[in-house]
Amino acid sequence: KAGVTQTPRYLIKTRGQQVTLSCSPISGHRSVSWYQQTPGQGLQFLFEYFSETQRNKGNFPGRFSGRQFSNSRSEMNVSTLELGDSALYLCASSLQQGSNYGYTFGSGTRLTVV
Amino acid sequence: DQQVKQNSPSLSVQEGRISILNCDYTNSMFDYFLWYKKYPAEGPTFLISISSIKDKNEDGRFTVFLNKSAKHLSLHIVPSQPGDSAVYFCAASGYFSTGNQFYFGTGTSLTVIP
Repeated sequence: KAGVTQTPRYLIKTRGQQVTLSCSPISGHRSVSWYQQTPGQGLQFLFEYFSETQRNKGNFPGRFSGRQFSNSRSEMNVSTLELGDSALYLCASSLQQGSNYGYTFGSGTRLTVV
Repeated sequence: DQQVKQNSPSLSVQEGRISILNCDYTNSMFDYFLWYKKYPAEGPTFLISISSIKDKNEDGRFTVFLNKSAKHLSLHIVPSQPGDSAVYFCAASGYFSTGNQFYFGTGTSLTVIP
């Protein structure tokens, strides 16, 4: 079956702009989580959505937001981009919220802010 | 504050020998621990996990050990194979005020030399 699909794969934006990233989970998975990966910080949790509701939130500013649609697809939005937002953004899906059985990750969207 | 730490950014091992990847955590509220493996240009894939009520979990060539008193876990790969060359992330999860959250380490890049 198809894995987790993230689009676009690469993105270049300028400071101050906003960006929207998309994630399509594995069919049947209802939980979608977003992570930011940077070389020095590893993977940092942004938020988790389950049944169209944000269930968990990490320690990121309000410029980072997301939503989930009825088909479980999720979007992440970053407004007023800063240079430090340059990172690999990973989306992961699982059957259940807060699954301890491991998430399935997408290949990520590489965002570069110039 | 990095709650999950992988202090070795890289590790090189000869094919056939044992690879030991280490991970330390600071929060005693974590009750589940996972290891993920990541190849370049791909998202992390779930490898093995362990509950805090156990001290060892084995799956084929992969064994995870948990020492709760030391807040330390390790991943043993025996025997190591060239295809094991990847970045390994350890992760810890626990239920906090904002829900069940995962914290990842910064990763250890394993190179298995043929």
